[in-house]
Amino acid sequence: EIVMTQSPATLSVFPGERATLSCRASQSVTNKVAWYQQKPGQAPRLLIYGASTRATGVPGRFSGRGSGTDFTLTISSLQSEDFAVYYCQHYISWPLTFTFGPGTKVDIK
Amino acid sequence: QVQLVQSGPEVKKPGSSVSVSCKASGGTFNNNAIIWVRQAPGQGLEWMGGIIPMFGTTNYAQKFQGRITITAEMSTNTAYMEVTSLRSDDTALYYCARKNDYYDSNGYYHDGLDIWGQGTMVTVSS
Repeated sequence: EIVMTQSPATLSVFPGERATLSCRASQSVTNKVAWYQQKPGQAPRLLIYGASTRATGVPGRFSGRGSGTDFTLTISSLQSEDFAVYYCQHYISWPLTFTFGPGTKVDIK
Repeated sequence: QVQLVQSGPEVKKPGSSVSVSCKASGGTFNNNAIIWVRQAPGQGLEWMGGIIPMFGTTNYAQKFQGRITITAEMSTNTAYMEVTSLRSDDTALYYCARKNDYYDSNGYYHDGLDIWGQGTMVTVSS
C-alpha cells in the first residue's frame, strides 16, 4: 500500500511570498499525483493533476513538479485567498484507488 | 454544469448504520466514477471507496472493506454509500466527488476529483 507524506505540516508565509509544499510517495507513483486546496468550511478543489498540469481555472501562480516519489506544489506569490490546506493525492485508475497525504496548512505569517 | 447534492446530516447510535446519498443535479453520471471521501473534525481527507455507476463496479479502501457498500442508480443519477457498525470515530463529514478523466500534454491519462458534493455530517453518539 502506497503512503503519501507531506511536509511541512504547517507553512507560515507572508502575502506575496513564494510557498513550496512537498509531497513524497512511499514508492514510485510515476506522475499519478494530484493536488487539492481546501478552505475552511468548503469542499476540496482540484488544482493539479498529472503532477504538473493545472486544472481548468486554476491561476498560473500554482505550479506542480515531480515524478517517481517526490513532488512539489509551488505558489509563486501568495494571495490572501491562497491561505488554505493543501493535499497531495495519488490515484490509480483501476481498480479505483485514491490515497491522500495528511495535508499542509499554509497560513499567514 | 453538474452539481452533486448530498443528503442531510445524520445522528446515529453506535452499532447502527447510515446511508448517505449523492445526486447529480443538472446532468448525469455519464461514465464518470463517483468517489467517497470522509473528513473527521479537524483532520485530513480519507478515501473510502468508489463506484463506476455505468458498470456498477466498485472498489473500497481496505480499511472499510466489509463495512461499507457503495451503490448507484443510473436512472436517478444518484449514488449511495452505506456504512454499518458505526463507531464514534466514524463521526465525520462525508463527501462524494466526481472522478473526471484528463489527458496531459503528452496524451497520458489522469484522474481528478473535479466536482464535490457539499458534504454530509454524520455524528455517531450514544
